[in-house]
Amino acid sequence: DVKVTQSSRYLVKRTGEKVFLECVQDMDHENMFWYRQDPGLGLRLIYFSYDVKMKEKGDIPEGYSVSREKKERFSLILESASTNQTSMYLCASTSSLGPNYGYTFGSGTRLTVV
Amino acid sequence: DAKTTQPNSMESNEEEPVHLPCNHSTISGTDYIHWYRQLPSQGPEYVIHGLTSNVNNRMASLAIAEDRKSSTLILHRATLRDAAVYYCIPYSGNTPLVFGKGTRLSVIA
Repeated sequence: DVKVTQSSRYLVKRTGEKVFLECVQDMDHENMFWYRQDPGLGLRLIYFSYDVKMKEKGDIPEGYSVSREKKERFSLILESASTNQTSMYLCASTSSLGPNYGYTFGSGTRLTVV
Repeated sequence: DAKTTQPNSMESNEEEPVHLPCNHSTISGTDYIHWYRQLPSQGPEYVIHGLTSNVNNRMASLAIAEDRKSSTLILHRATLRDAAVYYCIPYSGNTPLVFGKGTRLSVIA
């Protein structure tokens, strides 16, 4: 069964800490995405990547950066965590950007910043 | 991005069919209609997609109106495990998936 694996299900970090959220896919997908999900706001795109070492900003990139050193791994970095970054973070991947292909999502990381 | 309108919530009895509607009157000719669902405390899960013709898979059926301005996701026999938020998303592949608020489906035993 193909998978997108997010390294932590739940995470609690302190304000100001540097936080790494890891996502690994085993499907050899070129394209990977990070979303966050908040009540009432739905899923919002933070960053995405179409290839190794490349990245594109999504709708809400402020306060985040990403790293894609290997095809299978896409990391989301909170440079200095703040309480307003408390959220559910979801990673996804797809093999092709064509409209005939679906995304596979991980189970999410629920991050609490205190 | 094409705007979609879905009911905020729907309720169904277990073992009965469920028809989840979606209006997407501004859909472009190159947009496929994708449906995803999100079970509680999980990431979204792909359900089905189509362009013009009706589509069936093991999870659901998708009925697309002839003018493509609306579509309906059909769960043939709802189970408790189908309780989720269902998202209808017009998608061309030119930009990443954009999720709306979806329809929260409750299934009653």
